Amino acid sequence: AQKITQTQPGMFVQEKEAVTLDCTYDTSDQSYGLFWYKQPSSGEMIFLIYQGSYDEQNATEGRYSLNFQKARKSANLVISASQLGDSAMYFCAMREGPADSWGKFQFGAGTQVVVTP
Amino acid sequence: DVKVTQSSRYLVKRTGEKVFLECVQDMDHENMFWYRQDPGLGLRLIYFSYDVKMKEKGDIPEGYSVSREKKERFSLILESASTNQTSMYLCASSPIRDRNTDTQYFGPGTRLTVL
Repeated sequence: AQKITQTQPGMFVQEKEAVTLDCTYDTSDQSYGLFWYKQPSSGEMIFLIYQGSYDEQNATEGRYSLNFQKARKSANLVISASQLGDSAMYFCAMREGPADSWGKFQFGAGTQVVVTP
Repeated sequence: DVKVTQSSRYLVKRTGEKVFLECVQDMDHENMFWYRQDPGLGLRLIYFSYDVKMKEKGDIPEGYSVSREKKERFSLILESASTNQTSMYLCASSPIRDRNTDTQYFGPGTRLTVL
């Protein structure tokens, strides 16, 4: 069963606007981590932001913030003040389980973002 | 900075050939992973390794094997390549789990085409 769902296959956003990328997850574990990665056309996966299941505050990293709603099992990425260089594929990922789970990740299908001038 | 390198960015092979994809990381990470990435499916885990000579199957191990003889190197092997193995292959590494910094670091990917 799909554990990470990204319902938006693609979206356009205008430069300087904010954009929200949706991510919902499915787990019965109490301990898990949620990650967002960016993949530009060059192919390399770039880590953006991390949210732990026990973290009470939403994670923020510069222009990226993670809107973590635990009860709804959602972990949406918000990019503020979009730039042309933000055009990329964005993946949501989850690591389930405690420290002996070897750090296995499950990835969503991704959302392609195109930032227009 | 963590650096994960992969031996080739692009590779073209013929059906039935044995294919080696090499991955090297320079940060002394214990865990290493091989994924394949296909449009609409995201990344799917093929195999991972948490120590030298140790390996575990991921979600789609069929048709693949791996080798980890040294801590910094993790190889993916396609014993007899088939056209349905045409894909982007991504290697990643991570340190032993640390709740504060436990992300995976990715290589640039190898785009494999099997004719």
